Amino acid sequence: GQSLEQPSEVTAVEGAIVQINCTYQTSGFYGLSWYQQHDGGAPTFLSYNGLDGLEETGRFSSFLSRSDSYGYLLLQELQMKDSASYFCAVSGGGFKTIFGAGTRLFVKA
Amino acid sequence: EAGVAQSPRYKIIEKRQSVAFWCNPISGHATLYWYQQILGQGPKLLIQFQNNGVVDDSQLPKDRFSAERLKGVDSTLKIQPAKLEDSAVYLCASSPPGVPYEQYFGPGTRLTVT
Repeated sequence: GQSLEQPSEVTAVEGAIVQINCTYQTSGFYGLSWYQQHDGGAPTFLSYNGLDGLEETGRFSSFLSRSDSYGYLLLQELQMKDSASYFCAVSGGGFKTIFGAGTRLFVKA
Repeated sequence: EAGVAQSPRYKIIEKRQSVAFWCNPISGHATLYWYQQILGQGPKLLIQFQNNGVVDDSQLPKDRFSAERLKGVDSTLKIQPAKLEDSAVYLCASSPPGVPYEQYFGPGTRLTVT
């Protein structure tokens, strides 16, 4: 079957760095995406890793290790507005997308 | 560039009633998705269209849910009859050609079944 695991909650201080991990089991794996969702809002695309390694987009970076079926999202210089839910999502066979349950990030002042 | 449009934004119905949701994807996006998101969970794919053809509907409860995408542009999702457990946010998303992992979501329809 297909499954993703990520922590349910993470708390960090404003200005700090936080890492949200995601492990997955899937067939026909193509890549790992990350989405951000604020309460009451729609998910917004953050990043995609199709190959092993680190992808950087401003304060956000995402990493993938295919051999370990593992990836993470790294948020630097945390701001209060980063408080949201973060979802990892795998693209598998037929480009079907499976979302994880999400990690709620709380940023404290 | 206009985003993904959905209507209505909110809907309250009684169990056993029917309801329909509408979605208009971003212009030029051939792939359209309908997701169900229950509070505290990640989006669950219900159906995926490529133009007006169904790519995946393995998780669509076909005894009560139906969806169509006539003319390969906008789409409707229908529930008939609704159950209490259908209370959720229904999200529509679309993706650019060849980029299925980069999905753009509409604001969603919050359905409450009483």
